[in-house]
Amino acid sequence: NAGVTQTPKFQVLKTGQSMTLQCAQDMNHNSMYWYRQDPGMGLRLIYYSASEGTTDKGEVPNGYNVSRLNKREFSLRLESAAPSQTSVYFCASSGGGTTLVYYEQYFGPGTRLTVT
Amino acid sequence: AQSVTQLGSHVSVSEGALVLLRCNYSSSVPPYLFWYVQYPNQGLQLLLKYTTGATLVKGINGFEAEFKKSETSFHLTKPSAHMSDAAEYFCAVSGGWDDKIIFGKGTRLHILP
Repeated sequence: NAGVTQTPKFQVLKTGQSMTLQCAQDMNHNSMYWYRQDPGMGLRLIYYSASEGTTDKGEVPNGYNVSRLNKREFSLRLESAAPSQTSVYFCASSGGGTTLVYYEQYFGPGTRLTVT
Repeated sequence: AQSVTQLGSHVSVSEGALVLLRCNYSSSVPPYLFWYVQYPNQGLQLLLKYTTGATLVKGINGFEAEFKKSETSFHLTKPSAHMSDAAEYFCAVSGGWDDKIIFGKGTRLHILP
């Protein structure tokens, strides 16, 4: 099992450019999450998807959109990147499946995004 | 609603000394509590968790934590620090198996030779 995978690992964007961060999990989990991590701020939830076909806003959704493409994949889109979106982005998943545990979250390795 | 407070954004201990990372939580329902570790340039990895039952929980790499309801605390300890323990540690709380997890701001652990 690869667990949770994220692409790309690194990205540099200019202000106003758009991009999509990809996330996939192979544990048959129901729920998926996008977080951003900034120094001294911990992890802040951007969006989550409790099940295939549903998405909900987290703590800091402004400037982002998400798509739960299928049970495996959950993408995060920045339509018009801003320097304030410079951060490390983590995808996570949870909810039964092959791990048989509903409440623990499993994290991907992260995407380091810089917006200039 | 749930919240987590980690006391100390940076903690330094000597190699071989006791590690104590403090976490206090607030929850309107019986909490699920977690400690995650993040090594440099990596994602978060679960160290240990408390859901129900025994209040002293043991995790990987010799870490353990004790759930104290009266003190609303879930402090992380390790008897003897190792250089490889240098990382950032996150305490987290959830309201139940289907609830979102709320993370603390993290404590960076430095190990002094």
